Amino acid sequence: AQKVTQAQTEISVVEKEDVTLDCVYETRDTTYYLFWYKQPPSGELVFLIRRNSFDEQNEISGRYSWNFQKSTSSFNFTITASQVVDSAVYFCALSEAQDSNYQLIWGAGTKLIIKP
Amino acid sequence: NAGVTQTPKFQVLKTGQSMTLQCAQDMNHEYMSWYRQDPGMGLRLIHYSVGAGITDQGEVPNGYNVSRSTTEDFPLRLLSAAPSQTSVYFCASRDRGNSYEQYFGPGTRLTVT
Repeated sequence: AQKVTQAQTEISVVEKEDVTLDCVYETRDTTYYLFWYKQPPSGELVFLIRRNSFDEQNEISGRYSWNFQKSTSSFNFTITASQVVDSAVYFCALSEAQDSNYQLIWGAGTKLIIKP
Repeated sequence: NAGVTQTPKFQVLKTGQSMTLQCAQDMNHEYMSWYRQDPGMGLRLIHYSVGAGITDQGEVPNGYNVSRSTTEDFPLRLLSAAPSQTSVYFCASRDRGNSYEQYFGPGTRLTVT
């Protein structure tokens, strides 16, 4: 069965430290899509990135980077030189190409606290 | 485009009252869904719809009804509010196809006393 695990419930670091949020997924589908969303203290949910299963290239966007490894079924998210504004809950999600209901399977989220 | 809109933003209900949370999207998305988010927990799917006239239950459907008469609107009805339904409710929409990201409304904070 499909599943997304974010084992880190809460992470606290001091500003400017690098931090990695882990995401491990399970799926039987060979074609699937992985997503990261951010939920800042204001409460809205913001899309960060999408990765499909055929593209294992790592992605970098400013201070954010994502490491997709099919061999370990992981899609980890790293923030370099963290800032207080990065404080948020981060969710990882999975969507399978064969799912005709277009469901997203969500991890439980990791609360990231960046201390000044 | 307004994206996904939800009303109201805040609501207080007494136990046993009913109400409807409104959700609308202007992106012509076929897929819409309702989630609830409780403190320290992730998103739990209540109901979803893959198109007008088609709805289905998610993980936690009890106590909620939905309908989808148009592509744009997907209201969530609480039949008889209970304190256990105190939560933040998010409506979301997504284009047809599993590669697309989901767009979320701003949420409705519901308190049932």
